[in-house]
Amino acid sequence: KQEVTQIPAALSVPEGENLVLNCSFTDSAIYNLQWFRQDPGKGLTSLLLIQSSQREQTSGRLNASLDKSSGRSTLYIAASQPGDSATYLCAATTGNQFYFGTGTSLTVIP
Amino acid sequence: NAGVTQTPKFQVLKTGQSMTLQCAQDMNHNSMYWYRQDPGMGLRLIYYSASEGTTDKGEVPNGYNVSRLNKREFSLRLESAAPSQTSVYFCASRSRPGPNSYNEQFFGPGTRLTVL
Repeated sequence: KQEVTQIPAALSVPEGENLVLNCSFTDSAIYNLQWFRQDPGKGLTSLLLIQSSQREQTSGRLNASLDKSSGRSTLYIAASQPGDSATYLCAATTGNQFYFGTGTSLTVIP
Repeated sequence: NAGVTQTPKFQVLKTGQSMTLQCAQDMNHNSMYWYRQDPGMGLRLIYYSASEGTTDKGEVPNGYNVSRLNKREFSLRLESAAPSQTSVYFCASRSRPGPNSYNEQFFGPGTRLTVL
């Protein structure tokens, strides 16, 4: 069974700092890896999806990378803003199912 | 496009009561999913439907049943609710599973269920 881990569980940074969120998975035979954002009391919003044949994807200040051989993905957030405060989850998909990490709770301090 | 919609948004049940959570998507997606989210446990898959007419168990199916009514709708039923089923339930959909296809999973806003 795929196991997905996100470390750290919580992160607090001052506004303007660049930061990296980590996601690791145990089964490298994934189809793709998706990063989500979840605001308190809300659903999940898709940020980026990296296909298994890709190494990275970019959207605005976000850049996600994928290294299947080492079982790792990172989400890089440039020039963080208070509005980036949320929980970030990664999910690895193998076949029909997605396997989620427990998330990193990010606080950006003004 | 409304995306993925869920009803109700909130529900309180007594132990032993039954209810059905409704989910619909208007993106013509083939696959639909039901998850529950509990503090410290992340999202866990309850059931999924890879395509219309098929359903399969996920990680935590006990105490739940599902129906893929048509391509748009996927419902989750609790036949006899228990306090352990207090959770936030999310429905999701995506176009088609497969490697190297850009098939994001899209989520509904969730149903917050409390079982007393």
